[in-house]
Amino acid sequence: GAVVSQHPSWVICKSGTSVKIECRSLDFQATTMFWYRQFPKQSLMLMATSNEGSKATYEQGVEKDKFLINHASLTLSTLTVTSAHPEDSSFYICSARDPLLPMRGNYGYTFGSGTRLTVV
Amino acid sequence: QKEVEQNSGPLSVPEGAIASLNCTYSDRVSQSFFWYRQYSGKSPELIMSIYSNGDKEDGRFTAQLNKASQYVSLLIRDSQPSDSATYLCAVNPRGNNRKLIWGLGTSLAVNP
Repeated sequence: GAVVSQHPSWVICKSGTSVKIECRSLDFQATTMFWYRQFPKQSLMLMATSNEGSKATYEQGVEKDKFLINHASLTLSTLTVTSAHPEDSSFYICSARDPLLPMRGNYGYTFGSGTRLTVV
Repeated sequence: QKEVEQNSGPLSVPEGAIASLNCTYSDRVSQSFFWYRQYSGKSPELIMSIYSNGDKEDGRFTAQLNKASQYVSLLIRDSQPSDSATYLCAVNPRGNNRKLIWGLGTSLAVNP
């Protein structure tokens, strides 16, 4: 249970274009999803918390107009990198947790497989 | 002081040995703790979660939590080369469906 599917797994785009990344919870309803970015040999950096039916909560220093998050349903959150530039090249990962699973037990936060974005 | 601290390593152990990974956290009221493994180029995968003081064992992995010392560790017995990865410690300070606070990770190399 608690499977998170993320697409695409990799994408190459031209500078100035926009890229949309999808994150789906396959067997549970995710009221909250988390979007991370990870640069090579660095740890995860939380970008924003995506809330179904409301605005995302962005971490300090993350441009909300550049990284658009839409969580229109209980099973889908999307991250759109607008006007991408080479410095946006990174590994983007979404994560969610089935809220119906008990906090006790080995039920942590599940990650999507990640999207490697390369902006040329 | 960082909220969740880990030794970046690399930690190098021979195959078959016990690997010990450590993590300290600053928020005394933290409720749940997680160890994730991340292979290069892949997303993190959950290894263990622990909520109560003491030890929790799952196969070759044992998580240890000491809330008084604000310390959580992961022991890997009979280490295998396939265990070579970065191990991330994460803390959920307030429970429920809240964001995790992450350590920077410890790189583990298991040498054949």
